[in-house]
Amino acid sequence: AQSVTQPDIHITVSEGASLELRCNYSYGATPYLFWYVQSPGQGLQLLLKYFSGDTLVQGIKGFEAEFKRSQSSFNLRKPSVHWSDAAEYFCAVGGNAGNNRKLIWGLGTSLAVNP
Amino acid sequence: EAEVAQSPRYKITEKSQAVAFWCDPISGHATLYWYRQILGQGPELLVQFQDESVVDDSQLPKDRFSAERLKGVDSTLKIQPAELGDSAMYLCASRGQGALTEAFFGQGTRLTVV
Repeated sequence: AQSVTQPDIHITVSEGASLELRCNYSYGATPYLFWYVQSPGQGLQLLLKYFSGDTLVQGIKGFEAEFKRSQSSFNLRKPSVHWSDAAEYFCAVGGNAGNNRKLIWGLGTSLAVNP
Repeated sequence: EAEVAQSPRYKITEKSQAVAFWCDPISGHATLYWYRQILGQGPELLVQFQDESVVDDSQLPKDRFSAERLKGVDSTLKIQPAELGDSAMYLCASRGQGALTEAFFGQGTRLTVV
């Protein structure tokens, strides 16, 4: 079965601290992986994506993620969190086989940042 | 920068009334998704279009929800009649034709059914 698991429902970090948000997936084909961020009342914005190649991908706002095929993981990291990073973060996996371009979503991780 | 446009941003309606949402995807994007997102949860796919054709509507409550994309460009999602449990954010996203593409989201429509 295709699925995405984000084990941490809610995380609180202090401003300036490092951050890692976990994402594990189950997908039968070659996965295309995405991290999106959502501020309250807004749509989703793409942070970064992995299709192939270098397993460490850089995204916007200083975020990066590492694809580990052996662990079926695509964890999101940031070395120093800013107060403006407080938001909901979603991991998604999908493919591009013909018309099967459905995205499978995790339930999200809510990030709070303490000053 | 091209954006996915959605309207209205907010909608309050009484239960049993009809409500409609509109989405204009990024020009040239063949794939269009409608998602429902309940507060505190992830997006739930309601319907996926490839051009004007429905690719996946397995999670669409077809007794009350309908979606169309007649010319393969903009799309309308309708609920009739609305129920209290339909209160949610309705998100539209579009995706380009290429293999290595991501979905772009609109700002969403926040629906409150009273």
